[in-house]
Amino acid sequence: DAGVIQSPRHEVTEMGQEVTLRCKPISGHDYLFWYRQTMMRGLELLIYFNNNVPIDDSGMPEDRFSAKMPNASFSTLKIQPSEPRDSAVYFCASSTTLGTSGPYNEQFFGPGTRLTVL
Amino acid sequence: AQSVTQPDIHITVSEGASLELRCNYSYGATPYLFWYVQSPGQGLQLLLKYFSGDTLVQGIKGFEAEFKRSQSSFNLRKPSVHWSDAAEYFCAVGASSGTYKYIFGTGTRLKVLA
Repeated sequence: DAGVIQSPRHEVTEMGQEVTLRCKPISGHDYLFWYRQTMMRGLELLIYFNNNVPIDDSGMPEDRFSAKMPNASFSTLKIQPSEPRDSAVYFCASSTTLGTSGPYNEQFFGPGTRLTVL
Repeated sequence: AQSVTQPDIHITVSEGASLELRCNYSYGATPYLFWYVQSPGQGLQLLLKYFSGDTLVQGIKGFEAEFKRSQSSFNLRKPSVHWSDAAEYFCAVGASSGTYKYIFGTGTRLKVLA
């Protein structure tokens, strides 16, 4: 299995531009999570999906952020317009409820997208 | 509300020395507890997890952790550290039943001296 795939790995953009981050979860996984990691705030959960449906978006910082999961194999996180304070590493993770631990089964993380907003 | 505290931001040990990374949690019921490791430039990888049963759990790469309910702790240990263990380590707790979220600690960065 290729694991969780994220693209791009690095993104540099200017303030005000739209940014789209992409994620392909592990095939067969029914949970998908978007996290943001910064030095100041650590690892924060932004939003998560179950069977392509957003379940909890309480971590999304503001209306400039949006996430979609049009099908089981693809999700996007969009920032429009981007601001310098959005600079961070964004991780996507997926998990499956199959197995002994149900929804608390291991989350598999992608390599992350390092976003720099100038 | 659930919370996770990792008191040590940085830890430095010599190669071959033993290691203990501390993690304290706040949770009303029996928690789901995890330790993840993040190597530089990489995503997080699960080291081990605890849900129930034996309070001493074994993980990958020679790591183990002990759940102590009385101390609300889930400390990570390794008897002999290797230079390749240099990374950042995150403790996490499964949030309230029904939400299936993890609450992550702020991480402990481990440096290994040759």
